Amino acid sequence: AQKVTQAQTEISVVEKEDVTLDCVYETRDTTYYLFWYKQPPSGELVFLIRRNSFDEQNEISGRYSWNFQKSTSSFNFTITASQVVDSAVYFCALYPHGSSNTGKLIFGQGTTLQVKP
Amino acid sequence: ETGVTQSPTHLIKTRGQQVTLRCSSQSGHNTVSWYQQALGQGPQFIFQYYREEENGRGNFPPRFSGLQFPNYSSELNVNALELDDSALYLCASSLGVRAGATEAFFGQGTRLTVV
Repeated sequence: AQKVTQAQTEISVVEKEDVTLDCVYETRDTTYYLFWYKQPPSGELVFLIRRNSFDEQNEISGRYSWNFQKSTSSFNFTITASQVVDSAVYFCALYPHGSSNTGKLIFGQGTTLQVKP
Repeated sequence: ETGVTQSPTHLIKTRGQQVTLRCSSQSGHNTVSWYQQALGQGPQFIFQYYREEENGRGNFPPRFSGLQFPNYSSELNVNALELDDSALYLCASSLGVRAGATEAFFGQGTRLTVV
Protein backbone atom coordinates (compact mmCIF):
# COMPACT_ATOMS: atom_id res chain seq x y z
CA ALA A 1 0.00 0.00 0.00
CA GLN A 2 1.08 3.53 -0.63
CA LYS A 3 -0.34 6.02 1.77
CA VAL A 4 0.31 9.01 3.96
CA THR A 5 -1.00 9.25 7.51
CA GLN A 6 -1.32 12.48 9.43
CA ALA A 7 -2.63 11.29 12.75
CA GLN A 8 -3.23 14.76 14.15
CA THR A 9 -6.52 16.08 12.83
CA GLU A 10 -6.41 19.39 14.67
CA ILE A 11 -3.81 21.16 16.78
CA SER A 12 -4.36 24.34 18.74
CA VAL A 13 -1.46 26.32 20.20
CA VAL A 14 -0.87 29.75 21.60
CA GLU A 15 1.28 32.16 19.65
CA LYS A 16 5.04 31.70 20.15
CA GLU A 17 4.69 28.05 21.04
CA ASP A 18 6.57 25.47 18.99
CA VAL A 19 4.45 22.88 17.22
CA THR A 20 5.28 19.66 15.36
CA LEU A 21 3.06 18.17 12.69
CA ASP A 22 3.52 14.45 12.21
CA CYS A 23 3.60 12.59 8.90
CA VAL A 24 4.08 8.86 8.38
CA TYR A 25 4.22 7.38 4.91
CA GLU A 26 4.17 3.97 3.26
CA THR A 27 5.59 3.08 -0.12
CA ARG A 28 7.25 0.11 -1.75
CA ASP A 29 9.30 2.32 -4.07
CA THR A 30 12.92 2.97 -3.17
CA THR A 31 12.84 6.32 -4.89
CA TYR A 32 10.19 8.72 -3.77
CA TYR A 33 9.62 12.34 -2.89
CA LEU A 34 7.96 13.85 0.13
CA PHE A 35 6.23 17.20 0.27
CA TRP A 36 4.59 19.56 2.68
CA TYR A 37 1.92 21.98 1.55
CA LYS A 38 0.06 24.70 3.41
CA GLN A 39 -3.58 25.40 2.58
CA PRO A 40 -4.91 28.73 3.88
CA PRO A 41 -8.66 29.44 3.83
CA SER A 42 -8.36 30.72 0.26
CA GLY A 43 -7.90 27.12 -0.85
CA GLU A 44 -4.64 27.31 -2.76
CA LEU A 45 -2.03 24.72 -1.81
CA VAL A 46 1.22 26.51 -1.06
CA PHE A 47 4.38 24.50 -1.57
CA LEU A 48 6.68 24.41 1.46
CA ILE A 49 9.28 21.72 0.83
CA ARG A 50 10.20 18.73 -1.33
CA ARG A 51 12.68 16.04 -0.26
CA ASN A 52 13.83 12.95 -2.10
CA SER A 53 14.25 9.57 -0.48
CA PHE A 54 18.03 9.66 -0.70
CA ASP A 55 18.45 12.86 1.21
CA GLU A 56 17.78 12.43 4.90
CA GLN A 57 19.43 15.64 5.90
CA ASN A 58 17.14 17.74 8.04
CA GLU A 59 16.29 21.16 6.72
CA ILE A 60 15.61 24.49 8.33
CA SER A 61 14.02 27.46 6.64
CA GLY A 62 13.42 30.36 8.98
CA ARG A 63 10.93 29.23 11.60
CA TYR A 64 10.22 26.00 9.69
CA SER A 65 12.17 22.79 10.02
CA TRP A 66 11.70 19.27 8.73
CA ASN A 67 12.89 15.98 10.17
CA PHE A 68 13.07 13.11 7.68
CA GLN A 69 13.70 9.64 9.12
CA LYS A 70 13.56 6.70 6.71
CA SER A 71 13.94 4.23 9.58
CA THR A 72 10.52 5.23 10.90
CA SER A 73 9.05 6.38 7.55
CA SER A 74 8.37 9.78 8.98
CA PHE A 75 8.69 13.31 7.67
CA ASN A 76 7.72 15.64 10.48
CA PHE A 77 7.34 19.39 10.25
CA THR A 78 8.09 21.79 13.10
CA ILE A 79 7.12 25.43 13.34
CA THR A 80 9.14 27.33 15.90
CA ALA A 81 7.64 30.33 17.65
CA SER A 82 4.29 29.94 15.91
CA GLN A 83 2.38 32.98 14.67
CA VAL A 84 -1.29 33.58 13.98
CA VAL A 85 -0.50 33.67 10.24
CA ASP A 86 0.60 30.03 10.49
CA SER A 87 -3.02 29.03 11.03
CA ALA A 88 -3.97 26.81 8.09
CA VAL A 89 -4.39 23.20 7.05
CA TYR A 90 -1.08 21.45 6.41
CA PHE A 91 -0.74 18.49 4.11
CA CYS A 92 2.02 15.96 3.82
CA ALA A 93 2.25 14.28 0.41
CA LEU A 94 4.14 11.40 -1.18
CA TYR A 95 5.22 10.90 -4.77
CA PRO A 96 6.34 7.29 -5.39
CA HIS A 97 8.75 7.35 -8.31
CA GLY A 98 8.00 3.89 -9.61
CA SER A 99 7.44 3.35 -13.33
CA SER A 100 3.70 2.99 -12.81
CA ASN A 101 3.29 6.44 -11.37
CA THR A 102 3.55 9.45 -13.59
CA GLY A 103 1.77 12.20 -11.80
CA LYS A 104 -0.02 11.09 -8.70
CA LEU A 105 0.72 12.88 -5.47
CA ILE A 106 -0.67 10.97 -2.50
CA PHE A 107 -1.86 13.32 0.23
CA GLY A 108 -2.54 12.75 3.87
CA GLN A 109 -5.79 13.84 5.48
CA GLY A 110 -4.28 17.10 6.63
CA THR A 111 -3.70 18.70 10.02
CA THR A 112 -5.58 21.85 10.90
CA LEU A 113 -3.35 24.17 12.89
CA GLN A 114 -4.90 26.97 14.87
CA VAL A 115 -2.57 29.50 16.43
CA LYS A 116 -4.28 31.69 18.99
CA PRO A 117 -2.99 35.14 19.86
CA GLU B 1 0.85 33.81 -6.37
CA THR B 2 1.70 30.71 -8.35
CA GLY B 3 0.54 31.82 -11.79
CA VAL B 4 -1.97 28.98 -11.98
CA THR B 5 -5.47 30.31 -12.44
CA GLN B 6 -8.72 28.41 -12.25
CA SER B 7 -12.21 29.41 -13.28
CA PRO B 8 -14.82 29.72 -12.08
CA THR B 9 -14.04 30.07 -8.38
CA HIS B 10 -17.45 28.87 -7.28
CA LEU B 11 -20.16 26.94 -9.05
CA ILE B 12 -23.53 25.47 -8.12
CA LYS B 13 -24.98 22.72 -10.29
CA THR B 14 -27.94 20.40 -10.13
CA ARG B 15 -27.57 16.64 -9.89
CA GLY B 16 -27.41 15.09 -13.38
CA GLN B 17 -25.97 18.18 -15.04
CA GLN B 18 -22.59 18.50 -16.66
CA VAL B 19 -19.81 20.91 -15.65
CA THR B 20 -16.56 22.19 -17.14
CA LEU B 21 -13.79 23.59 -15.00
CA ARG B 22 -10.82 25.44 -16.45
CA CYS B 23 -7.19 25.83 -15.55
CA SER B 24 -4.41 27.97 -16.96
CA SER B 25 -1.03 26.56 -16.10
CA GLN B 26 2.03 28.50 -15.08
CA SER B 27 4.10 29.83 -17.93
CA GLY B 28 6.53 27.21 -19.20
CA HIS B 29 4.78 24.30 -17.53
CA ASN B 30 3.60 21.49 -19.81
CA THR B 31 1.89 19.22 -17.28
CA VAL B 32 -1.43 19.70 -15.57
CA SER B 33 -2.90 17.53 -12.85
CA TRP B 34 -6.38 17.67 -11.38
CA TYR B 35 -7.33 16.83 -7.83
CA GLN B 36 -10.63 16.54 -5.98
CA GLN B 37 -10.68 17.64 -2.37
CA ALA B 38 -13.79 16.78 -0.39
CA LEU B 39 -14.48 18.79 2.75
CA GLY B 40 -12.10 17.83 5.54
CA GLN B 41 -10.09 15.49 3.33
CA GLY B 42 -6.81 15.56 1.48
CA PRO B 43 -6.76 16.07 -2.29
CA GLN B 44 -7.34 12.97 -4.39
CA PHE B 45 -5.65 12.60 -7.76
CA ILE B 46 -8.08 12.55 -10.69
CA PHE B 47 -5.74 12.56 -13.69
CA GLN B 48 -2.76 14.22 -15.30
CA TYR B 49 -2.27 15.65 -18.77
CA TYR B 50 1.09 15.95 -20.45
CA ARG B 51 1.46 17.44 -23.90
CA GLU B 52 -2.27 17.17 -24.57
CA GLU B 53 -2.62 13.51 -23.60
CA GLU B 54 -3.87 11.85 -20.44
CA ASN B 55 -0.82 10.48 -18.73
CA GLY B 56 -2.11 8.95 -15.53
CA ARG B 57 -5.45 8.49 -13.83
CA GLY B 58 -6.70 7.94 -10.31
CA ASN B 59 -9.74 5.98 -9.15
CA PHE B 60 -12.37 8.13 -10.79
CA PRO B 61 -15.13 6.96 -13.15
CA PRO B 62 -15.11 7.76 -16.87
CA ARG B 63 -17.64 10.56 -16.40
CA PHE B 64 -14.62 12.54 -15.22
CA SER B 65 -12.76 13.53 -18.36
CA GLY B 66 -10.35 16.19 -19.40
CA LEU B 67 -8.55 18.02 -22.13
CA GLN B 68 -5.27 19.82 -22.47
CA PHE B 69 -4.78 22.42 -25.17
CA PRO B 70 -1.66 23.36 -27.15
CA ASN B 71 -1.01 26.25 -24.76
CA TYR B 72 -1.09 23.66 -21.93
CA SER B 73 -4.23 25.02 -20.34
CA SER B 74 -6.68 22.34 -19.33
CA GLU B 75 -10.32 21.52 -18.73
CA LEU B 76 -11.95 19.08 -16.38
CA ASN B 77 -15.37 17.85 -17.42
CA VAL B 78 -17.75 15.98 -15.17
CA ASN B 79 -20.91 14.45 -16.60
CA ALA B 80 -24.01 13.25 -14.78
CA LEU B 81 -23.13 15.12 -11.60
CA GLU B 82 -23.77 13.41 -8.29
CA LEU B 83 -24.11 14.96 -4.86
CA ASP B 84 -20.78 13.40 -3.84
CA ASP B 85 -19.05 15.38 -6.57
CA SER B 86 -19.39 18.44 -4.35
CA ALA B 87 -15.79 19.37 -3.55
CA LEU B 88 -12.92 21.75 -4.17
CA TYR B 89 -11.28 20.93 -7.49
CA LEU B 90 -7.62 21.83 -7.64
CA CYS B 91 -5.43 22.15 -10.66
CA ALA B 92 -1.66 21.83 -10.44
CA SER B 93 0.89 22.64 -13.09
CA SER B 94 4.45 21.41 -13.30
CA LEU B 95 7.23 20.75 -15.75
CA GLY B 96 7.79 17.28 -17.14
CA VAL B 97 5.95 14.01 -17.15
CA ARG B 98 7.21 12.95 -13.75
CA ALA B 99 5.22 15.73 -12.27
CA GLY B 100 5.57 14.65 -8.69
CA ALA B 101 9.34 14.77 -8.87
CA THR B 102 9.28 18.50 -9.31
CA GLU B 103 7.47 21.24 -7.55
CA ALA B 104 3.80 21.40 -8.50
CA PHE B 105 2.10 24.78 -8.34
CA PHE B 106 -1.56 24.74 -7.40
CA GLY B 107 -4.34 27.11 -8.29
CA GLN B 108 -6.91 28.38 -5.81
CA GLY B 109 -9.42 25.82 -6.89
CA THR B 110 -13.03 25.74 -7.99
CA ARG B 111 -15.60 25.08 -5.30
CA LEU B 112 -18.32 22.93 -6.88
CA THR B 113 -21.59 22.39 -5.08
CA VAL B 114 -24.06 19.87 -6.46
CA VAL B 115 -27.62 20.21 -5.21
